[in-house]
Amino acid sequence: GESVGLHLPTLSVQEGDNSIINCAYSNSASDYFIWYKQESGKGPQFIIDIRSNMDKRQGQRVTVLLNKTVKHLSLQIAATQPGDSAVYFCAEGSGGYNKLIFGAGTRLAVHP
Amino acid sequence: SAVISQKPSRDICQRGTSLTIQCQVDSQVTMMFWYRQQPGQSLTLIATANQGSEATYESGFVIDKFPISRPNLTFSTLTVSNMSPEDSSIYLCSVEERPLGVNEQFFGPGTRLTVL
Repeated sequence: GESVGLHLPTLSVQEGDNSIINCAYSNSASDYFIWYKQESGKGPQFIIDIRSNMDKRQGQRVTVLLNKTVKHLSLQIAATQPGDSAVYFCAEGSGGYNKLIFGAGTRLAVHP
Repeated sequence: SAVISQKPSRDICQRGTSLTIQCQVDSQVTMMFWYRQQPGQSLTLIATANQGSEATYESGFVIDKFPISRPNLTFSTLTVSNMSPEDSSIYLCSVEERPLGVNEQFFGPGTRLTVL
């Protein structure tokens, strides 16, 4: 069967390099943003989130940057590993964050 | 985070039939959501299911096509009715939790549906 992300844009990186995945969000009223990772055959997995009162947040090997002026979100993965290969989605929410609007997604392919 | 399971994990169905997908959570949650992910696409919210009330459907989705049940705080079902090949998608349930005081959504593994 067709896998997740078959028709999505692909970012190819070498193992050990840093990866930057970008997302343009749609609603200027959104005040909460999440990055999800989806591996083939699995549901989306929460990676990191950021609120609109911040412009940067760091996790383990990941950093999310938020630029509200241009409605842009990015996910940086340091020292990319083969296990990072997946489709990455940004999602935006507002108010109580109940309804999430998902971006189109980017496939990350890590080569040895 | 909550552990979420879905049944079936995948199915192949004939057009005109209906399929009910189950979502089970290992803890009580107030809000559950159903999403559709069409082949090669992103996720689209179908409806929000709260226990004790009717599900709230998003634009483009109707109860007759996607009836939802939410009998308790750990379980929900989504039925895909009168299926056509265009309904071939991955259907995902998610739950909302507040592990650190901020609402976060966690997803089940999905049900991959193919309609012939």
